[in-house]
Amino acid sequence: GAVVSQHPSRVICKSGTSVKIECRSLDFQATTMFWYRQFPKQSLMLMATSNEGSKATYEQGVEKDKFLINHASLTLSTLTVTSAHPEDSSFYICSARGLAGKKFFGPGTRLTVL
Amino acid sequence: GQQLNQSPQSMFIQEGEDVSMNCTSSSIFNTWLWYKQDPGEGPVLLIALYKAGELTSNGRLTAQFGITRKDSFLNISASIPSDVGIYFCAGQANQAGTALIFGKGTTLSVSS
Repeated sequence: GAVVSQHPSRVICKSGTSVKIECRSLDFQATTMFWYRQFPKQSLMLMATSNEGSKATYEQGVEKDKFLINHASLTLSTLTVTSAHPEDSSFYICSARGLAGKKFFGPGTRLTVL
Repeated sequence: GQQLNQSPQSMFIQEGEDVSMNCTSSSIFNTWLWYKQDPGEGPVLLIALYKAGELTSNGRLTAQFGITRKDSFLNISASIPSDVGIYFCAGQANQAGTALIFGKGTTLSVSS
């Protein structure tokens, strides 16, 4: 089946620094990727929709200047958490849209901001 | 963001028992999906449903797409310890390009 990878799997950073998370579709092209955030014991909440070659669409309440998304190629989308704070600590999961609209999820990235 | 109503929130069962969980929505979905998530990992697709009324099985798992397009259920028969985890329903409203909307999850605990 289609494989989606995320890097890094875990990251710990100091408050005020920026962190970049990569999402790659390994064996298919994805014109659309989705970024979700999941806090402990909660569901996946959609943050933004990333379209290759165009600006991302953000969900209400998600700051586009804080969560920068770049979908520069058909196999890579990046999410940069700028000026991270402890409340940004969460599990970030990407999903890539493949053939026939099927969505494939990455393994997630655990971000801890000290 | 929008969420689906998923119940129960948690279940504690004995090994060998059957389990049922469901999701409802106030709006119509064209696709219903059921995922399982283990701690620290991304969700893994269990069953996908694409037609109203569709009943699909995957081993001991059975799921149905409600005829109204506003609900779905997942059954697990003869549960085993490795069924432990969080189960999420997810729905997709219209076009294939839209994102999935997730339920709040059902945490399943199985005692042997």
